[in-house]
Amino acid sequence: NAGVTQTPKFQVLKTGQSMTLQCAQDMNHEYMSWYRQDPGMGLRLIHYSVGAGITDQGEVPNGYNVSRSTTEDFPLRLLSAAPSQTSVYFCASSKVGQGVDSPLHFGNGTRLTVT
Amino acid sequence: GDSVTQMEGPVTLSEEAFLTINCTYTATGYPSLFWYVQYPGEGLQLLLKATKADDKGSNKGFEATYRKETTSFHLEKGSVQVSDSAVYFCALSGNQFYFGTGTSLTVIP
Repeated sequence: NAGVTQTPKFQVLKTGQSMTLQCAQDMNHEYMSWYRQDPGMGLRLIHYSVGAGITDQGEVPNGYNVSRSTTEDFPLRLLSAAPSQTSVYFCASSKVGQGVDSPLHFGNGTRLTVT
Repeated sequence: GDSVTQMEGPVTLSEEAFLTINCTYTATGYPSLFWYVQYPGEGLQLLLKATKADDKGSNKGFEATYRKETTSFHLEKGSVQVSDSAVYFCALSGNQFYFGTGTSLTVIP
């Protein structure tokens, strides 16, 4: 029973490098999202998707891209990493879309450091 | 817009003490409310939820009641254990999920 799987767990990048954070879920959830967690700021929504082929921006989308080609996968791309993107990133999914009482299921996070 | 305001931490308690973590919210409509817990090095896990006014969510000795009149969803536990040491997040689901900033709890033996 895997739930939400994120890879890698840790990553160090140099400024300007690009990379993709992977997220996969095996619960057939329509809704998937990416958050970043920074000290004192809680969780901030980066991008989200309510189904395959549909994505939208959250609170802090700049510097990040997403795509949703399948129900299971929702990768997050950093196009040109900056030190301000040093953070812990969480992928989360839920059974249905916005505004309902289905809780979010979280992965264990990716800790990213940009030097 | 929708938002969640959560009690600042960190909170340090002795084992068997009573715990309250305050949470208030602002929302249009009728959101569902949640408490999540995050243990070190892990993602957030759902602790409890309430979907309408006056509902009480409970799990593992923790309780929270959805109070529409005071727009609150305070987390309580009668007797904390060392294993309850974690960060606790209050959240609501409106048009999106909105999270509080988290409250760190440390329970000392």
